[in-house]
Amino acid sequence: DAKTTQPNSMESNEEEPVHLPCNHSTISGTDYIHWYRQLPSQGPEYVIHGLTSNVNNRMASLAIAEDRKSSTLILHRATLRDAAVYYCILRDGRGTGGFKTIFGAGTRLFVKA
Amino acid sequence: KAGVTQTPRYLIKTRGQQVTLSCSPISGHRSVSWYQQTPGQGLQFLFEYFSETQRNKGNFPGRFSGRQFSNSRSEMNVSTLELGDSALYLCASSQTENTGELFFGEGSRLTVL
Repeated sequence: DAKTTQPNSMESNEEEPVHLPCNHSTISGTDYIHWYRQLPSQGPEYVIHGLTSNVNNRMASLAIAEDRKSSTLILHRATLRDAAVYYCILRDGRGTGGFKTIFGAGTRLFVKA
Repeated sequence: KAGVTQTPRYLIKTRGQQVTLSCSPISGHRSVSWYQQTPGQGLQFLFEYFSETQRNKGNFPGRFSGRQFSNSRSEMNVSTLELGDSALYLCASSQTENTGELFFGEGSRLTVL
């Protein structure tokens, strides 16, 4: 099963951009790259996902390396509400057709006012 | 639209007992997946169901089982509870097995004494 590697923690100043990296060197061609974040005492919340091309939505941008062995979640202007644990996830669509979701350890993002 | 509902939210069991956790997905969602979250191991995939069929299973012993009903509601069962089964059990639903976004519930926190 493909794994992801993320830094344990990162710190950002409020209203500055944040780049959260994720390495997934053993990614397969059918693995989707997902990002979720988890606030204390809550379930994870979807942020963004992609397969090969860079993706943008209202929450963030996802930059995927050309070889797909790494990706970066970009929060354009961090706010205090963005302080959370961010998980880079691979969803493997092989095999029986279902997805086996593999979580990394996550990056705890601290945002300073 | 109502989110993913998990019951019970908190429960305490003793070693050797069994427990059943319930998950009601978002209306219209046919895929349900389960995860175990512990401080030591992080978020780990348990299994995924789609249209009442288990499509994928994580690396957990046979004491962990689940099922999905025709209305897409899902249950997971843990038999012969061990202290190490103490965890937050999270359920997530998605519209189809190939749809990216997972919607998570708030989890069921199980304590085994």
